Amino acid sequence: DTGVSQNPRHKITKRGQNVTFRCDPISEHNRLYWYRQTLGQGPEFLTYFQNEAQLEKSRLLSDRFSAERPKGSFSTLEIQRTEQGDSAMYLCASSLGQVPTTNEKLFFGSGTQLSVL
Amino acid sequence: DAKTTQPTSMDCAEGRAANLPCNHSTISGNEYVYWYRQIHSQGPQYIIHGLKNNETNEMASLIITEDRKSSTLILPHATLRDTAVYYCIVRVMNRDDKIIFGKGTRLHILP
Repeated sequence: DTGVSQNPRHKITKRGQNVTFRCDPISEHNRLYWYRQTLGQGPEFLTYFQNEAQLEKSRLLSDRFSAERPKGSFSTLEIQRTEQGDSAMYLCASSLGQVPTTNEKLFFGSGTQLSVL
Repeated sequence: DAKTTQPTSMDCAEGRAANLPCNHSTISGNEYVYWYRQIHSQGPQYIIHGLKNNETNEMASLIITEDRKSSTLILPHATLRDTAVYYCIVRVMNRDDKIIFGKGTRLHILP
């Protein structure tokens, strides 16, 4: 399977614990996005990378959240001191990041479902 | 914030054409209309996009009004597998710009 891969699929943790999610994008894709989705809502943008550079972070991304893409390939999203409000589906997407972006399409993974007890 | 308005939900009989409307009355000249869908327990999937001309691919057709203030996504022969949430999005091209999702339309295909 050469699509976007996210691990783990499910994560249950206790409030106050740290969690880390991994995203492996499609191999030739330069751009990588993180979104968060709660029940009944559309995905909310968190942050994105162009290669290893983090270009934008949403105000939703508090200082407890950090994302990295150290070698411009896979990315990790860490949440420190989790709270019950962090319970959500965390989605990763990648795209070619081509210029011009006329035909830019995002390819999403199946997400990591986080439950904070 | 999302720049589009969509009905919360719609029903369509299996085998019929599903027509999903989207209002984007504040769209700018350099903004494209994109459609994605999200099947339960999966990430969103790209369907189609267009600027001002009607577009068709293997999944769907996109009809954009002449004034570009609204569009319709058409699934010509809906199947049960088309049951999903459909998101209409406007996006500026040629910019480092993320996709902003609204709440979308929940489409139920009825057997």
